[in-house]
This record gives sequence, C-alpha cells and structure tokens, in this order.
Amino acid sequence: EIVMTQSPATLSVSPGERATLSCRASQSVSSNLAWYQQKPGQAPRLLIYGASTRATGIPARFSGSGSGTEFTLTISSLQSEDFAVYYCQQYNNWLGTFGQGTKVEIK
Amino acid sequence: QLQLQESGPGLVKPSETLSLTCTVSGGSISSSSYYWGWIRQPPGKGLEWIGSIYYSGSTYYNPSLKSRVTISVDTSKNQFSLKLSSVTAADTAVYYCARHGRVVVVAATSWFDPWGQGTLVTVSS
Repeated sequence: EIVMTQSPATLSVSPGERATLSCRASQSVSSNLAWYQQKPGQAPRLLIYGASTRATGIPARFSGSGSGTEFTLTISSLQSEDFAVYYCQQYNNWLGTFGQGTKVEIK
Repeated sequence: QLQLQESGPGLVKPSETLSLTCTVSGGSISSSSYYWGWIRQPPGKGLEWIGSIYYSGSTYYNPSLKSRVTISVDTSKNQFSLKLSSVTAADTAVYYCARHGRVVVVAATSWFDPWGQGTLVTVSS
C-alpha cells in the first residue's frame, strides 16, 4: 500500500495570502495524483487531477505541481471560501489511497 | 449535471449487514467511460476507498475489506449498491458514492468526481 503523507496537518493563513500544501508518497506515483477540498458537512470536491490539471470550474488560484513522490497544492491568494480541509489521493496502483488531510484555517 | 445520492439506514447493529444504494441522475450509469465507487470517512478521520463497479458488473474491492464487501449494479434503475457484512463500531462512517474513470491499467480507480453528499451510518446496538 502506498502511504500518502500530508504536511502540515494545520496551516494558518490570512485571507489574501498564499498557501502551500505538501503531499508525499511512500513510493513513486508518477503524476497520478489528485487533490480535493472538503468543507464541514460536505463531500470532497475535486480540485486537481493528473497532479496539475484543474478540474472543471476550479478557479485559477488553485494550482498543483510535482511528480514522483513530492507534490504541492498552491492557493495563490486565499479567499474566505477556501478555508477547508484538503486531501491528496494517489491512483497509481491497485489500491488508491488518500492522505490524512491538511486543514487550512484563518490566521 | 450528473448527481449521485446515497440512501439507506443510518443505524445498523453490530454483526449485521450495512446496505446502501446510490442513485445516479443526470446521466447513465451504463456509460462505457466510467466506474462507480464507494468511499467512506469515519468521523473526524480520512478517506478510504471501499470498492467500485462497472456497469457490466465487474467489481474491484479494497483488499482490506474484500471479504465483507459486495457491490452490485442495477442499470435499469440507474443505481448501484453496497453491502458490508459483519459490521462493527469501526465501520461507523460517512459513506459516499462517487464516479471515477480508470487511467492507469494496474489501478482500480482514478480521481473521484462527482461525489454524492454522503450518508452517516452508525453501528451501534
């Protein structure tokens, strides 16, 4: 099983600032990585797939990068609606696995 | 716009079988491009893929749950279903259904999009 480790667990950011979230895989997952946003009481929402391709309707302030074992989700200028938990997910082998999440909170 | 909606009992007794159904609207479950999956999230915890099904009936399960999971599809009703047997308190979670493709030959899933709103299932006597 590929273990996905996200850091930090919690990120405190002021509105308008840049947020950088990390996701590390225990072995290479190529570019087969997705990012999701989850708000309280809601289902996860797909943000990024293929490590860097924004899903339909996702604002350009969200960007993904990386390949192999190191990945980054960047939110260029945090808006109030961006405070949420973010998960990465690899789908490079049989068992797709998720990271434990990074909570982005208001500083 | 494709929408998914989970339904089923919110309370299941230990050792019994959890049964949920996902109804797909705004599109056909028989699309050749997509698979239909179940994911769960224990309260305050992360996400775990349970398993998926193709409209033809081919199934793919998480090895850790495989012995207890059955996923089936009813194309006439545009629904697919989950059964999880011998449940314990550890199976208490929000259960989501979602659509996905398969882009890596050896991978059972790809990214999940869209998701249903989720349904909380509590295992308790």
